[in-house]
Amino acid sequence: KAGVTQTPRYLIKTRGQQVTLSCSPISGHRSVSWYQQTPGQGLQFLFEYFSETQRNKGNFPGRFSGRQFSNSRSEMNVSTLELGDSALYLCASSYSGTGSYDTQYFGPGTRLTVL
Amino acid sequence: AQSVTQLDSQVPVFEEAPVELRCNYSSSVSVYLFWYVQYPNQGLQLLLKYLSGSTLVKGINGFEAEFNKSQTSFHLRKPSVHISDTAEYFCAVSRSMDSNYQLIWGAGTKLIIKP
Repeated sequence: KAGVTQTPRYLIKTRGQQVTLSCSPISGHRSVSWYQQTPGQGLQFLFEYFSETQRNKGNFPGRFSGRQFSNSRSEMNVSTLELGDSALYLCASSYSGTGSYDTQYFGPGTRLTVL
Repeated sequence: AQSVTQLDSQVPVFEEAPVELRCNYSSSVSVYLFWYVQYPNQGLQLLLKYLSGSTLVKGINGFEAEFNKSQTSFHLRKPSVHISDTAEYFCAVSRSMDSNYQLIWGAGTKLIIKP
């Protein structure tokens, strides 16, 4: 079974630009969660999508948004990039979601650098 | 509110020595407990999880954890570490029987193996 894939793996943007990251979950998984990981703040939950609906949301500004398609693939978008948005963005998929006993399967992440 | 505390941000230990990584959580309801590991430049992967039953849980790579309900702890142990165990370890908690509840993550503990 193919694992979780994230594209692109690396991205360099400048302040004020916007960016879209993509995540393809494991086949059959209906939940996709997004996390931001930085050395200072650790692993922070952005949001979770389940069957195309946002089910949970973390404490991030509205510049961070996401969506999930009918094939469970998910995208997250960050508008008006700030220097502080530089981070590793991780996507995780599972069958039942984060509030269950399911294992979360993580992708390798997208490393975003904002200049 | 539910929270997870990983008491040590870094744990240095000599190769072949035992190690314990500590995790405490706060919750008034039943929980599911997880340990994930993140090797350098990779996403996270599940080490082990506690759902119910025996309080001693065995995971991959020789790791085990013990659930202690009275102390609300889920400490991770390994009797003899190897250089390949160098990684960051994350404890996570979700509220059982609540599919809309998100995972709560600890800040992570970096395990540093000294040769």
